[in-house]
Amino acid sequence: DQQVKQNSPSLSVQEGRISILNCDYTNSMFDYFLWYKKYPAEGPTFLISISSIKDKNEDGRFTVFLNKSAKHLSLHIVPSQPGDSAVYFCAASGPGGQGNLIFGKGTKLSVKP
Amino acid sequence: KAGVTQTPRYLIKTRGQQVTLSCSPISGHRSVSWYQQTPGQGLQFLFEYFSETQRNKGNFPGRFSGRQFSNSRSEMNVSTLELGDSALYLCASSLVQGAYEQYFGPGTRLTVT
Repeated sequence: DQQVKQNSPSLSVQEGRISILNCDYTNSMFDYFLWYKKYPAEGPTFLISISSIKDKNEDGRFTVFLNKSAKHLSLHIVPSQPGDSAVYFCAASGPGGQGNLIFGKGTKLSVKP
Repeated sequence: KAGVTQTPRYLIKTRGQQVTLSCSPISGHRSVSWYQQTPGQGLQFLFEYFSETQRNKGNFPGRFSGRQFSNSRSEMNVSTLELGDSALYLCASSLVQGAYEQYFGPGTRLTVT
């Protein structure tokens, strides 16, 4: 049973507009969430994270929002750039980290010039 | 600072053989986790090593094993290869055991024929 779900396999956005990537989780024990970006033939690159005690974290063009009651998080990219085109993975970690990240299956973002 | 390195990058093996993959973490990082990525299952946690000890293990058969050396370098071994073991194997390092942010290497693409 998938504990972390990214229901949109793909998303296409115009350059300069906002990209919103969504992620849902089922386990209320998750206490930390991360977003990774992956280009073909490369490993995932850490992008941004959020603790369950917060509802928002911002880093430059990237903002992650967490809605614990809905068990939902989203990644906003503003403004979107062609170089942002990649697969984005949402991941969750249990209490204490434990070194075990549970990943969603990813959303492929295409930013068109 | 150099990133996580994995060798080899590509490998072709025959069913029934065994294989050893290597991972060198970021300098100063002491925890290493291994993941398997396949199109059907996505990214799945294999195991985590810290201080030369396996600290956490995912839901994989005993054919998958690993170890960590005193310099934090890690190897994973898969014995009696099956066709379904064809995947991208990713290594990730973090500063300490259970740290939330993990930094991934480029992966080893294993093809079993």
